Amino acid sequence: DGGITQSPKYLFRKEGQNVTLSCEQNLNHDAMYWYRQDPGQGLRLIYYSQIVNDFQKGDIAEGYSVSREKKESFPLTVTSAQKNPTAFYLCASTPGRGSSYEQYFGPGTRLTVT
Amino acid sequence: AQKITQTQPGMFVQEKEAVTLDCTYDTSDPSYGLFWYKQPSSGEMIFLIYQGSYDQQNATEGRYSLNFQKARKSANLVISASQLGDSAMYFCAMSPRTGRRALTFGSGTRLQVQP
Repeated sequence: DGGITQSPKYLFRKEGQNVTLSCEQNLNHDAMYWYRQDPGQGLRLIYYSQIVNDFQKGDIAEGYSVSREKKESFPLTVTSAQKNPTAFYLCASTPGRGSSYEQYFGPGTRLTVT
Repeated sequence: AQKITQTQPGMFVQEKEAVTLDCTYDTSDPSYGLFWYKQPSSGEMIFLIYQGSYDQQNATEGRYSLNFQKARKSANLVISASQLGDSAMYFCAMSPRTGRRALTFGSGTRLQVQP
């Protein structure tokens, strides 16, 4: 089955450590996105990538970094510069062109930093 | 810039009744898409329905329909014949049809279906 996988589902880290969240898709989608969700709130865009080897900052990119070396993969690194990293992180993808606008989401990773 | 407003933090509905979840939006993009997603307690985002800004008819998907009023900039979700499994957070979102096409989300409405 095609879809988006994110691992792990739960992640715990000590303050001051960098941590990388995995996102892999086998939908052959061009565009991929990272969103952050805080309790009781909607999702906010961190980074997005419309093609391989290219990515753009979203609305809350400070303290995060990404790479897009392969079409299938879009890992997100939460750096020690992120002041409030504890949150629910969701990865999404979309074909990037054509008439389909639906974004397909992964199951998410809950990051807790203490 | 785009903005989505959901003014109902929480809603209750009796099983088998219909419920409307409100969504208003603001955008300067001439062409855009409007979406509704359901988020159960597990956290996954489940796509429900899509409406294009130039679509003449309101979108429908099974028990879900989108009441699109372009002049009022509203895109309300109507769920007919509510089921206990409909209890979840519901998010309205939009994206431009060109450019980055990332979603801008509202703050959500928590729907609780009562037996």
